[in-house]
Amino acid sequence: AQSVTQPDIHITVSEGASLELRCNYSYGATPYLFWYVQSPGQGLQLLLKYFSGDTLVQGIKGFEAEFKRSQSSFNLRKPSVHWSDAAEYFCAVGEVAAGNKLTFGGGTRVLVKP
Amino acid sequence: DAGVIQSPRHEVTEMGQEVTLRCKPISGHDYLFWYRQTMMRGLELLIYFNNNVPIDDSGMPEDRFSAKMPNASFSTLKIQPSEPRDSAVYFCASSEADRKNIQYFGAGTRLSVL
Repeated sequence: AQSVTQPDIHITVSEGASLELRCNYSYGATPYLFWYVQSPGQGLQLLLKYFSGDTLVQGIKGFEAEFKRSQSSFNLRKPSVHWSDAAEYFCAVGEVAAGNKLTFGGGTRVLVKP
Repeated sequence: DAGVIQSPRHEVTEMGQEVTLRCKPISGHDYLFWYRQTMMRGLELLIYFNNNVPIDDSGMPEDRFSAKMPNASFSTLKIQPSEPRDSAVYFCASSEADRKNIQYFGAGTRLSVL
């Protein structure tokens, strides 16, 4: 069975500093990979996705993520964090043959210091 | 499109009462998912439908939980009888069959069982 691990439960970062959120997955083949963001009191919003091809993908709100097959990782990055980036971030893996089902990591809560 | 619409946004009920949560997926989407989110267990998939047919309900915690999808534009998640431990945020998400697992989430229903 596939699984997704987000090692960091909480991260605190200063506004303007860079941010990197880690995600490791376990899956037999190349999966579909996603990052979602959840602002307080809101649903999950898709930030970016990886299906195939270029391993560096760009998303909304200035985020990017890099797929590294050798490390089974899909880390999320942003060069300069804004106060509005304070939220919870979820990494997810899609099974190619499992009917659009996603497996989510436990999430990383990001706090932004002024 | 208006996105995935869930109602009510908040529900407060007493233990033992029946609770019905509602979801309208994005028009044209083939898949519908129900999730539960708690601090302790994170985001859990409860059940999902494809073309109105339940495909996997292995995440439904107990017989007190049931879900239906009578047509392509409406689904319900019912808890009867409700218990305090059912207090959580319940999300509905939908996706298209050919969109490689991309799921779009509603804003959620926050359920409090007293």
